[in-house]
Amino acid sequence: AQSVTQLDSHVSVSEGTPVLLRCNYSSSYSPSLFWYVQHPNKGLQLLLKYTSAATLVKGINGFEAEFKKSETSFHLTKPSAHMSDAAEYFCVVSFSGTYKYIFGTGTRLKVLA
Amino acid sequence: GAGVSQSPSNKVTEKGKDVELRCDPISGHTALYWYRQSLGQGLEFLIYFQGNSAPDKSGLPSDRFSAERTGGSVSTLTIQRTQQEDSAVYLCASSFNRGGQETQYFGPGTRLLVL
Repeated sequence: AQSVTQLDSHVSVSEGTPVLLRCNYSSSYSPSLFWYVQHPNKGLQLLLKYTSAATLVKGINGFEAEFKKSETSFHLTKPSAHMSDAAEYFCVVSFSGTYKYIFGTGTRLKVLA
Repeated sequence: GAGVSQSPSNKVTEKGKDVELRCDPISGHTALYWYRQSLGQGLEFLIYFQGNSAPDKSGLPSDRFSAERTGGSVSTLTIQRTQQEDSAVYLCASSFNRGGQETQYFGPGTRLLVL
């Protein structure tokens, strides 16, 4: 069965320090992987996506993620957190030939001044 | 329009009343999706449209929920005889086509509160 696990429900970092949000997936097939961000009372915005091209994917706002097949991971990173990064982040997996997104449970990122 | 729009942005209703939630997808997007986001429940898939057809309604939680799409564009999600457990944010998304690699673009959601 396909699933996605976000290992941390909450992450707190200080402004200017690195961000790491962890995501692992379970699948028998080659996945497409996405990270979305949701600011309070807003819809979901795509940060980046992996669809079997380069394993290191760069997204908006300085975020990037690396697809590691051997570890079935797609962790999201940013070298230096900004206050405006405070939001909820969702890891999503999908598969060729289907339309369904499978969402992780989300990680709420808090950025401390 | 430039993005997916949803209306109303907020809806407060009394238990037992019917509500209609509207979604305007990005022009030219053939696929449309409805999700529900409840506190502590994450994002729950409700229904998927390809054109005006709904090949997958498996996520609709009960027969009080229905949805339609007309003209391959606007979609309406209807909840009849609302219950307090229907309180949630209802998100609509669209994509250019179906398929696992397609990016889904989300609207801002409708926040529904059933008193």
